[in-house]
Amino acid sequence: EVQLVESGGGLVQPGGSLRLSCAASGFTFSSYWMHWVRQAPGKGLVWVSCINEDGRDTRYADSVKGRFTISRDNAKETLYLQMNGLRAEDTAVYYCARDPTTVVPLDYWGQGTLVTVSS
Amino acid sequence: DIQMTQSPSSLSASVGDRVTIACRASQSIRSFLNWYQQKPGKAPNLLIYDTSSLQSGVPSRFSGSGSGTDFTLTISSLQPEDFATYYCQQSYKTPWTFGQGTKVEIK
Repeated sequence: EVQLVESGGGLVQPGGSLRLSCAASGFTFSSYWMHWVRQAPGKGLVWVSCINEDGRDTRYADSVKGRFTISRDNAKETLYLQMNGLRAEDTAVYYCARDPTTVVPLDYWGQGTLVTVSS
Repeated sequence: DIQMTQSPSSLSASVGDRVTIACRASQSIRSFLNWYQQKPGKAPNLLIYDTSSLQSGVPSRFSGSGSGTDFTLTISSLQPEDFATYYCQQSYKTPWTFGQGTKVEIK
């Protein structure tokens, strides 16, 4: 069974940092692109970042570029999102999701982890 | 960035109704259009990918159509478990973008 479990969310002050993790199981993690998508309270879905199978190709939304870093450890089957310079507008539930192929998009999602940026 | 616009933003419908949700892209995305369903407090669930391909396990009452810039999600006969918010999303190029969502409510 495919499982994605996020962790690392919490309350952080503006300007602070947080690292999210997404532990994968039930599939060959190293064969998939992986993504982060966020959702502010009561709002819609916003794509944040993605990373290719070996970690050498990373993409970011303009809103997080230069502040967030996506990475992965295929040996540990874990995806990460290092978030620096956090702002109030980064407050959201952060989901990790699996990306099987060019045609099939985000077919499995984690349950999400809440990040709250507030003083 | 490619903008995705859904309409309507919300709708009220009854069980058994046929429901149609539209999604328009700001430029051609060929067939790289996907639909997700999200229920309150839950992660999104992939329904349709590549415009019209039904994800495994998704009931056949869901269907998708369109090409280029205009796309449609249709629920042929609305069931109680279908009351949720639906999002279109383009995977043509990064940054991937989502529509603002369509909330389907009980009439």
